[in-house]
Amino acid sequence: DQQVKQNSPSLSVQEGRISILNCDYTNSMFDYFLWYKKYPAEGPTFLISISSIKDKNEDGRFTVFLNKSAKHLSLHIVPSQPGDSAVYFCAAGVSDSGAGSYQLTFGKGTKLSVIP
Amino acid sequence: SQTIHQWPATLVQPVGSPLSLECTVEGTSNPNLYWYRQAAGRGLQLLFYSVGIGQISSEVPQNLSASRPQDRQFILSSKKLLLSDSGFYLCAWSVGLNSGANVLTFGAGSRLTVL
Repeated sequence: DQQVKQNSPSLSVQEGRISILNCDYTNSMFDYFLWYKKYPAEGPTFLISISSIKDKNEDGRFTVFLNKSAKHLSLHIVPSQPGDSAVYFCAAGVSDSGAGSYQLTFGKGTKLSVIP
Repeated sequence: SQTIHQWPATLVQPVGSPLSLECTVEGTSNPNLYWYRQAAGRGLQLLFYSVGIGQISSEVPQNLSASRPQDRQFILSSKKLLLSDSGFYLCAWSVGLNSGANVLTFGAGSRLTVL
């Protein structure tokens, strides 16, 4: 059972426009969420995170929105640039103490292509 | 600053052969260490994690094993590879916290092809 779902395997956006990547989760215990960016043949790099006590977190061109009631989060990139073309992974975790806090559950990723 | 190294970067192995992937972390002590696998068309799957020397937790039963002989060294092994072991293996580390957000830092990955 997939606890973190990224239902769009790919997304194409024109340079300068907004990219919106979506992620849904089923486990109500998750209380923090992260987005990672991955280029081919490289490891994922951390992009931005959000705690469940917030509904928005912003870092430059990247904003993550969290809707807890819908168990949905999204990553907005604006304006999109060709260098943003990569696979984006959504991840979720539980921050309490114990073994659960060591695990992140990842989605399958969404491949973003920004067209010049 | 902290760095994570993983090798080899690329590996082609025949079915039934052994495997050893190594990962080391520099610039931190007592990190949490992880092995993930990204198989074709799938997300990142947690295979093993370790919170200390000699402490290994397995998340997925399979023919792989992990060891942590030193504080900042994590090794992924197999005695006999299967075709289904092909994939992109990622080592990661995080600060050893008992609570709070667990932000993982990944290595560059090792591409394993089993023929």
